[in-house]
Amino acid sequence: QVQFQESGPGLVKPSGTLSLTCGVSGVSITSHYWLTWVRQSPGKGLEWVGEIYHSGSANYNPSLRSRLTMSIDKSKSQFSVNLASVTAADTAVYYCTRRPGDCIGGSCPWFDPWGRGTLVTVSS
Amino acid sequence: QSILTQPPSASGTPGQRVTMSCSGSSSNIGKYFVYWYQQVPERAPKLLIFRNNQRPSGVPDRFSGSKSGTSAFLAISDLRSEDEADYYCAAWDGSLSGVVFGGGTKLTVL
Repeated sequence: QVQFQESGPGLVKPSGTLSLTCGVSGVSITSHYWLTWVRQSPGKGLEWVGEIYHSGSANYNPSLRSRLTMSIDKSKSQFSVNLASVTAADTAVYYCTRRPGDCIGGSCPWFDPWGRGTLVTVSS
Repeated sequence: QSILTQPPSASGTPGQRVTMSCSGSSSNIGKYFVYWYQQVPERAPKLLIFRNNQRPSGVPDRFSGSKSGTSAFLAISDLRSEDEADYYCAAWDGSLSGVVFGGGTKLTVL
């Protein structure tokens, strides 16, 4: 059974860096998938944050690109996201998930499975 | 503001058929497949429809998807109370080189 599990601080100070890790079990992290972060601000919709492939190649949301870094640790079967210079607008539930590396019809947002999500609050 | 536009709310009574829309552009829906997700409160989204109109195993055939030009549609027939949830459309955007979501439609079963 493939499982994704987010972990990291639930509270980050403004101007600080948000750092989260997603542990992957039940499947090789080097399988043909983009490892993805999606966030959801309280009461709001879903927002694609970015993704990383096991080769280290990454795609980031253009609106977050200047503050965003993703990495992968194959030895620990986990991938991470760092978001710098956070503000209250970055308060959200952060989900980790994956989408296929190739799809019929081109790149596809076929996200499955999802982690349970972790709430990160930006506040002093 | 989301790249894909969805009406914020929809409603229906048990047994009815409800349709919700998702409007995009030539760089996303007009060029790529549309996916739909269902999210109940406090839970992660669940894939409902893939490649415009395909249902994953376990999703009832009461749920159906379609696409026309730069718009996509999700229909739910024989509406049930357990269908009350938020529904999100998603697609790849070739101009942004990333995934875009709609703002979500909150479905209320009256």
